[in-house]
This record gives sequence, structure tokens and C-alpha cells, in this order.
Amino acid sequence: EAQVTQNPRYLITVTGKKLTVTCSQNMNHEYMSWYRQDPGLGLRQIYYSMNVEVTDKGDVPEGYKVSRKEKRNFPLILESPSPNQTSLYFCASSVSSTTYNEQFFGPGTRLTVL
Amino acid sequence: ILNVEQSPQSLHVQEGDSTNFTCSFPSSNFYALHWYRWETAKSPEALFVMTLNGDEKKKGRISATLNTKEGYSYLYIKGSQPEDSATYLCAFDSGNTPLVFGKGTRLSVIA
Repeated sequence: EAQVTQNPRYLITVTGKKLTVTCSQNMNHEYMSWYRQDPGLGLRQIYYSMNVEVTDKGDVPEGYKVSRKEKRNFPLILESPSPNQTSLYFCASSVSSTTYNEQFFGPGTRLTVL
Repeated sequence: ILNVEQSPQSLHVQEGDSTNFTCSFPSSNFYALHWYRWETAKSPEALFVMTLNGDEKKKGRISATLNTKEGYSYLYIKGSQPEDSATYLCAFDSGNTPLVFGKGTRLSVIA
């Protein structure tokens, strides 16, 4: 089944404790991205990747890191999480970013930073 | 900063009613307009990708129109059903920068 998976789905952590949210897609998509969703705001892009070893900042990259060492995986790293990073996170992928292709979203990760 | 506005913010309709809502976006640097349907506790799912001025797309009881010259798209739902209850997101695509999402229209269909 073609899908985007994220782990964990739910996470409660404390300020400063490094964490990684994994994202994996099995559709051989070139383009992957991370979004956060906060009440009253639209989906905001954190980072995106056009292909392996190519990553770029989105609208709200502060406090986050990503890597794209393999085509299928695009982990989101919070080196020192803070309470303002409490949010719902979505990973998404699409065939390519250069054509108007739909994005496929993962199931979401709800993160709480205490 | 690109601005994508959706209205209304939320909408309650009776089962069987038809409804529509709007997505407004910049009329310059247009490449595509995406519509997504986002049910509670699930992830957004693509409905339409619209690219040409005057485009009309349809999927079952849901359809969408596009006016790139004036910068708006309408999403229509005919004969709303409770399972149509969701947040409907539009996203502006300028082709070489990240998608810019609107805040969504939350639709509740009351049986």
C-alpha cells in the first residue's frame, strides 16, 4: 500500500531533550516536506527536500533540523525542544516539486513539550 | 509574504443542503491551486489540483472552479452529507516555492 508513515504518532517530552520524528514513504517520491499545524493557523512548512541530500528551509525552520540521506526517509530533529514547539506535525511527499503534483500526507505526530 | 485567505472560517449546514466556500490567492506567479480535505484525526487528502483559468473539476458531489485572473477558487458540495464534515484546505502553488496553505474552512453537516 502506497503510504507515508510517521513515528511516533504521539509524544510527550520535556524541554531540552533531543527527539527525532521519523518519516518514510514507499512511493519513490522525490519531494518530501514537514509541516506544523497550530490552532488558528494554516499548515506551515518547516523544511522541505527536493531530493536526496537536498534540503531547504520552509517558513518556520527555527529550532528544527532535517536530513535526507535516502530517498524514502526524511526525519525531523528537534535538538533542544521548547514548549512553543508543541504542535501537530505532518510529513508529506509528492512525486516531484517541479510539477503540480498532489502531496500525500502522513498520519501526523502530536508533540507536547513540557 | 503570500496571503491565501479562505472564507468562511466555519460553516454549519443541514444534510441535503448544497454549499460553497472560497479560496483567495495572489493572481501573480500562479502555477497551481490545490484543494485538500482534512477529516478530524486523519491526515489531509488531495481533492483537486487546478492549473488553468476557467478550470472546473469534479469528484462525486464535490466540484471546484478556478479564476486565476482575479485570484479565487470556489469549492462546491452538492447535497451535503454528514461524511462531508471536514476542514477543506486550499494551497497556492507558485511552482518554485513551498505551497502556501490557507487556514481552511471547517464544514459541519448536521443530520
